[in-house]
Amino acid sequence: NAGVTQTPKFRVLKTGQSMTLLCAQDMNHEYMYWYRQDPGMGLRLIHYSVGEGTTAKGEVPDGYNVSRLKKQNFLLGLESAAPSQTSVYFCASSYSTFWDSNQPQHFGDGTRLSIL
Amino acid sequence: ELKVEQNPLFLSMQEGKNYTIYCNYSTTSDRLYWYRQDPGKSLESLFVLLSNGAVKQEGRLMASLDTKARLSTLHITAAVHDLSATYFCAFLTYSGGYNKLIFGAGTRLAVHP
Repeated sequence: NAGVTQTPKFRVLKTGQSMTLLCAQDMNHEYMYWYRQDPGMGLRLIHYSVGEGTTAKGEVPDGYNVSRLKKQNFLLGLESAAPSQTSVYFCASSYSTFWDSNQPQHFGDGTRLSIL
Repeated sequence: ELKVEQNPLFLSMQEGKNYTIYCNYSTTSDRLYWYRQDPGKSLESLFVLLSNGAVKQEGRLMASLDTKARLSTLHITAAVHDLSATYFCAFLTYSGGYNKLIFGAGTRLAVHP
């Protein structure tokens, strides 16, 4: 049981380049999330999805787009990378909304992204 | 403003000593989470605290929640090197039309002989 798998694990981009981060979960979870983690700060929610075909903005959505074409996959796209997007990106999934469950989110191992 | 204040942000402990990490959060919530993160790794769930007065213990770690004071604590008993990691607390709130977790900045714990 792999849980939550993120690819790639590392990437270096030049300013203006685009890329897509992939998150895959094999737990049949409805909810999926993308966070970014910056030094000295807690995780901040970028976008989330409450089910296949649905996405919504989180706290810091600017400069990112997402898609959830399949229940098990949640993609995070950077259309034109900027140095301010240098960060560690975490994907997470959960069975249901927090309010109905005491189960925490399950996190992937992270993608370390550097924008030069 | 939704925020979480953890303190201390960095903690250097001797093995065998006790210490407490504090987590103050800014708005009403009855759900508080503690996570552990090892360097270069993902977040691992430690505790979910669901109500006022909740206390949970796992090994040398004990977490508690006081919803009236908006305070959670993570107490470390007789620290060992294996506990060296960064510990995050996060509270659950409904804001902006959805449920969200608000994370603290993390407490980096280093346990040394």
